[in-house]
Amino acid sequence: AAGVIQSPRHLIKEKRETATLKCYPIPRHDTVYWYQQGPGQDPQFLISFYEKMQSDKGSIPDRFSAQQFSDYHSELNMSSLELGDSALYFCASRLSADGYTFGSGTRLTVV
Amino acid sequence: AQSVSQHNHHVILSEAASLELGCNYSYGGTVNLFWYVQYPGQHLQLLLKYFSGDPLVKGIKGFEAEFIKSKFSFNLRKPSVQWSDTAEYFCAVNPMEYGNKLVFGAGTILRVKS
Repeated sequence: AAGVIQSPRHLIKEKRETATLKCYPIPRHDTVYWYQQGPGQDPQFLISFYEKMQSDKGSIPDRFSAQQFSDYHSELNMSSLELGDSALYFCASRLSADGYTFGSGTRLTVV
Repeated sequence: AQSVSQHNHHVILSEAASLELGCNYSYGGTVNLFWYVQYPGQHLQLLLKYFSGDPLVKGIKGFEAEFIKSKFSFNLRKPSVQWSDTAEYFCAVNPMEYGNKLVFGAGTILRVKS
């Protein structure tokens, strides 16, 4: 069965650089969520999109932005990266009242 | 502040021991409840979920959870753990009044000794 695809799997960036993370939801899933999981921490909700419109916003820094495209894939853009941005970034997709399906995550390391 | 609480951060059990991981939440109103497992180096996987109906929910790999509305709890159980259950377990709540976002507990790291 198709799963949530995230790319890249690993990313190493220097401080003050930018990064773009991509998420391809399960086909026909209409909602995408982004979560950030710091080392040894629980996932924190960043932002979500429903039918290409932002539906909810959590603890996402102003340096980050995200969007959902016409093919429902989503991109998380991160600028002026800081050491504290090093984390695992999960994308999840969902269709209406079903459960969430998570991607494998992108591990971002800022050096 | 409203939250999801997992009582134990680390649990160590021997194989064949019974497991119960506590989860309490402080949201009123209707909630959807989930337990996720994260094996070392892997992504979150859904163990089980509760939306409505029978409060005793059976999930994958022999796990089950019981929703007790009066106690705002959704504890995860397994009668006999295996070494392969070593992982981190997250309770998550979707408070319907807050839209569709999930709020996660801090996680419980389970280590099963063989």
